[in-house]
Amino acid sequence: AQRVTQPEKLLSVFKGAPVELKCNYSYSGSPELFWYVQYSRQRLQLLLRHISRESIKGFTADLNKGETSFHLKKPFAQEEDSAMYYCAPHQGAQKLVFGQGTRLTINP
Amino acid sequence: NAGVTQTPKFRVLKTGQSMTLLCAQDMNHEYMYWYRQDPGMGLRLIHYSVGEGTTAKGEVPDGYNVSRLKKQNFLLGLESAAPSQTSVYFCASSPTGGYQPQHFGDGTRLSIL
Repeated sequence: AQRVTQPEKLLSVFKGAPVELKCNYSYSGSPELFWYVQYSRQRLQLLLRHISRESIKGFTADLNKGETSFHLKKPFAQEEDSAMYYCAPHQGAQKLVFGQGTRLTINP
Repeated sequence: NAGVTQTPKFRVLKTGQSMTLLCAQDMNHEYMYWYRQDPGMGLRLIHYSVGEGTTAKGEVPDGYNVSRLKKQNFLLGLESAAPSQTSVYFCASSPTGGYQPQHFGDGTRLSIL
């Protein structure tokens, strides 16, 4: 069965410190990997996707197929990064699984 | 463009009452989804549709029904509401299947007393 694990429900770091949000997945085949973000009082939105290999708002995500992980990283956290983050492997409409989410708080 | 619009935004029901949540998208997307979001459980897929006139069950379909009579609309119905259905409901759409990012609505906060 498809499974996504975000081991940290809550993560708190200080402004300027590095951030790493962990995501481990168990999927058959080759899913496309996404990170979604939900800022306070805003709708859930796409942050980045693996296939694009891009950096959004300073965040990057590295796919490690051997470890089946897709951790989200940012070298220097900013207060506006405080939000709920969801890891989501997608593989066809019937294989949509979101992780439980990590609430990131950036302390001033 | 509004993107994905959900109505209503809030609703309080009594156990046993019925209601319908409406999702509308103006992006001409083929795929539409209904999720529920509960504390500590992330987003769980209730039902989805791969095109007009089609529906399929997701991870937690029991107690819900859906219809996609028009491409732009996806309705979620609760025939007999139960307190366990208290949740925040999100609708999403995507151009095609799971390899495309999803576009979400603002959510509907539903409380069942």
